[in-house]
Amino acid sequence: GENVEQHPSTLSVQEGDSAVIKCTYSDSASNYFPWYKQELGKRPQLIIDIRSNVGEKKDQRIAVTLNKTAKHFSLHITETQPEDSAVYFCAASMESGGYQKVTFGTGTKLQVIP
Amino acid sequence: DADVTQTPRNRITKTGKRIMLECSQTKGHDRMYWYRQDPGLGLRLIYYSFDVKDINKGEISDGYSVSRQAQAKFSLSLESAIPNQTALYFCATSGQGSRNEQFFGPGTRLTVL
Repeated sequence: GENVEQHPSTLSVQEGDSAVIKCTYSDSASNYFPWYKQELGKRPQLIIDIRSNVGEKKDQRIAVTLNKTAKHFSLHITETQPEDSAVYFCAASMESGGYQKVTFGTGTKLQVIP
Repeated sequence: DADVTQTPRNRITKTGKRIMLECSQTKGHDRMYWYRQDPGLGLRLIYYSFDVKDINKGEISDGYSVSRQAQAKFSLSLESAIPNQTALYFCATSGQGSRNEQFFGPGTRLTVL
């Protein structure tokens, strides 16, 4: 089955600096890569996603890049703010038996220091 | 607003007890999921269901069972709870189509003593 590795597990940055979270996946059949943000005590929520036919996608201060050949994708947050502090999960998704199977990474706890 | 809800939000129980966690959704989605979240292990899939007649095991289904009572309701049961089932449990839903964005409930924190 699919295996998603996520690094680092914790990340501390100064407010205003950039943060990068990296994920790798194992199955080349994965074709959809969402990122979820989970604030303390809250539920995970989708913040950005990318399909395998696109190399990069940007939404204001967040961007995701995908390298299909190397099977890795990354989340980039620029000009970090304290409200960016949360746990971020990457995921890889593929069609399997009529079901879009999603495998999550283990999460990165981002702390933005004011 | 259409939403995913879970009951109870917190539960403390003892080893050997039967526990049921309930999930309801008003999003009109066909697909429902149960995940378990443990520190450092991310979100792991327990069971998923495409519709009321379809139930599938996820990667960690041992010790758990589910029931899809209706399109909007999906329950998770621990027949005989054990301490290593102490975790945060999330229900999620998704609609049809290739995007498969998952909408999570607020979570149930379960402690097994």
